[in-house]
Amino acid sequence: QVQLVQSGAEVKKPGSSVEVSCKASGGTFTSYVISWVRQAPGQGLEWMGRIMPMVGIGNYAQKFQGRVTITADKSTSTVYLEVSSLRSEDTALYYCALMLRGVHAAFDIWGQGAMVTVSS
Amino acid sequence: QSVLTQPPSVSGAPGQRVTISCTGSNSNIGAGYNVHWYQQLPGRAPKLLIYDDSSRPSGVPDRFSGSKSGTSASLAIAGLQAEDEADYYCQSYDSRLSGSLFGGGTKLNVL
Repeated sequence: QVQLVQSGAEVKKPGSSVEVSCKASGGTFTSYVISWVRQAPGQGLEWMGRIMPMVGIGNYAQKFQGRVTITADKSTSTVYLEVSSLRSEDTALYYCALMLRGVHAAFDIWGQGAMVTVSS
Repeated sequence: QSVLTQPPSVSGAPGQRVTISCTGSNSNIGAGYNVHWYQQLPGRAPKLLIYDDSSRPSGVPDRFSGSKSGTSASLAIAGLQAEDEADYYCQSYDSRLSGSLFGGGTKLNVL
């Protein structure tokens, strides 16, 4: 059974960038799709984008185009999310999630979440 | 605008049955894309509850069931228990957005 372990909490200044990692273990990493989903405090879930590590190309929600980059390192089974030009509204829990059945499918397995706080 | 609409909250007494609706449009649920449901307990990551409209992952009790018709889907919870108190989210794929889409979430209160 694949497990996803994310990096720790981050505190960043407005205008800076943050990188959150998501390491997969216990399964075949490259065959699946991994998405990033964020949740602002007290708010709902918001899909940000996805990557299939085998292909290595990220696809992004329109809202995040140009400000978010998703990459994958097949050698370490790790997926990265970088968010640039951070603003206070980016303060949120960032989850990675594994989609076992393709890009139209459910998020079967979730990481534990990484809190990113943007504050001056 | 492509959205999935859920009621903000539903309530039920222990042992009762409740349903949570998820209304979409012709670019997501109505286009035939599957609907998935998640349970999020306080302070926890979301957990997949129902996938592909009505399938349950291993370990999910059969008290939880899903259905879909037209541009809407529903999650039903039978035999309500105190531990079911959580936030529930529907999710589908949207062809106009070329990406995944979540409903706004429904808080289930067990009275």
